[in-house]
Amino acid sequence: EIVLTQSPDFQSVTPNDKVTITCRASQSIGTSLHWYQQKPDQSPKLLIKYASQSISGVPSRFSGSGSGTEFTLIINSLEAEDAATYYCHQSSGLPQTFGQGTKVEIK
Amino acid sequence: DVQLLESGGGLVQPGGSLRLSCAASGFSFANYGMNWVRQAPGKGLEWVATFTSDRARTHYADSVKGRFTISGDNSKNTVYLQMNSLRVEDTARYYCARWSKPYSDGFGVEFDYWGQGTQVTVSS
Repeated sequence: EIVLTQSPDFQSVTPNDKVTITCRASQSIGTSLHWYQQKPDQSPKLLIKYASQSISGVPSRFSGSGSGTEFTLIINSLEAEDAATYYCHQSSGLPQTFGQGTKVEIK
Repeated sequence: DVQLLESGGGLVQPGGSLRLSCAASGFSFANYGMNWVRQAPGKGLEWVATFTSDRARTHYADSVKGRFTISGDNSKNTVYLQMNSLRVEDTARYYCARWSKPYSDGFGVEFDYWGQGTQVTVSS
């Protein structure tokens, strides 16, 4: 099983800050890494696919990078509405797995 | 618009059974692989089961293998999750999620649409 480890687990940030979330895979997964945002009492929402590809309708302040075993989600100029938990997900092999999540709180 | 609507959750005793349904609309259901993903209270996301677009292959997480069965009915645009021998640790919100690409075996593919989920509670 491919294990995804996110860091940090929690981040408290001020509006307009830059947020960086890292996802490390236990083995190489190419770019089969996707990012989701989940707000309280809502379903997950796709933010970034294939490590760095943007999704229609997602604000441009969200971006992703990486390949192999190390990936990064960046939120530029954080807005209050970005308070959520963020998950990485790999679909390189079965079972598909998720990171444990990073909760972003607005100060 | 693509919509996924889960139903069938509820409270069940350990050892009991439930069947979840996910009714799909707004896309050619028969062409897409479908999945169930769950989230225990206060916890992260866990992939549970997959039903490929050719409806010939299913895959399961080790935690549910032998107890859960995923299936689908293209005539009703619905995917099901039959859950038997339920355990307390199966308590979670269960989401239906679609692979983004038609005719895909799932490798490398993301989940582009999710339902709102249905709550399953296993307790005596």
